[in-house]
Amino acid sequence: DAMVIQNPRYQVTQFGKPVTLSCSQTLNHNVMYWYQQKSSQAPKLLFHYYDKDFNNEADTPDNFQSRRPNTSFCFLDIRSPGLGDAAMYLCATSRDSAQVNTEAFFGQGTRLTVV
Amino acid sequence: AQRVTQPEKLLSVFKGAPVELKCNYSYSGSPELFWYVQYSRQRLQLLLRHISRESIKGFTADLNKGETSFHLKKPFAQEEDSAMYYCALGEGGGYNKLIFGAGTRLAVHP
Repeated sequence: DAMVIQNPRYQVTQFGKPVTLSCSQTLNHNVMYWYQQKSSQAPKLLFHYYDKDFNNEADTPDNFQSRRPNTSFCFLDIRSPGLGDAAMYLCATSRDSAQVNTEAFFGQGTRLTVV
Repeated sequence: AQRVTQPEKLLSVFKGAPVELKCNYSYSGSPELFWYVQYSRQRLQLLLRHISRESIKGFTADLNKGETSFHLKKPFAQEEDSAMYYCALGEGGGYNKLIFGAGTRLAVHP
């Protein structure tokens, strides 16, 4: 009954070689998020989609891009991965509420290793 | 700047002992605070939120605006409470643009 699914769970990529991480959801939530979590650090928001509207955090490097072709899927593209991009990448979804922050549902994450 | 601080990386207690996981925040607006938990090999999931003022799995958390704190408490820890706990600040109504603390690992020993 997984609701937010991330593929793959583990990804190894070469330095400088583009890589794409995938996220899908069965919750029909209109908001999707990508967080980056480096070892022993807090998850940090990279960007989010509100429906088709893309919202980048001010300090997210240009090296990170995202696509959301439909409600169910969202992709994280890293154009030229560096060693510093090795991290756990978390996808999350939520249903927008006009009043309060609703619960965020997380995937199990993709652990990216850059060699 | 908005920030969430969890001063303890590890909290180790024995079963039946009281637990308090500390969380302090810095936020200029009206904060919405959450506790998320990650059990071993499971995904990050919501434990509780201040606006609900509820007890989940015996845990409670009170928002103290004067001290800018949202500490998580449980009077009697259980072994199954062992997990990583993250305090998070929601940046605005309707969204889950969450600012997380670095997390505290709770280890409950038999």
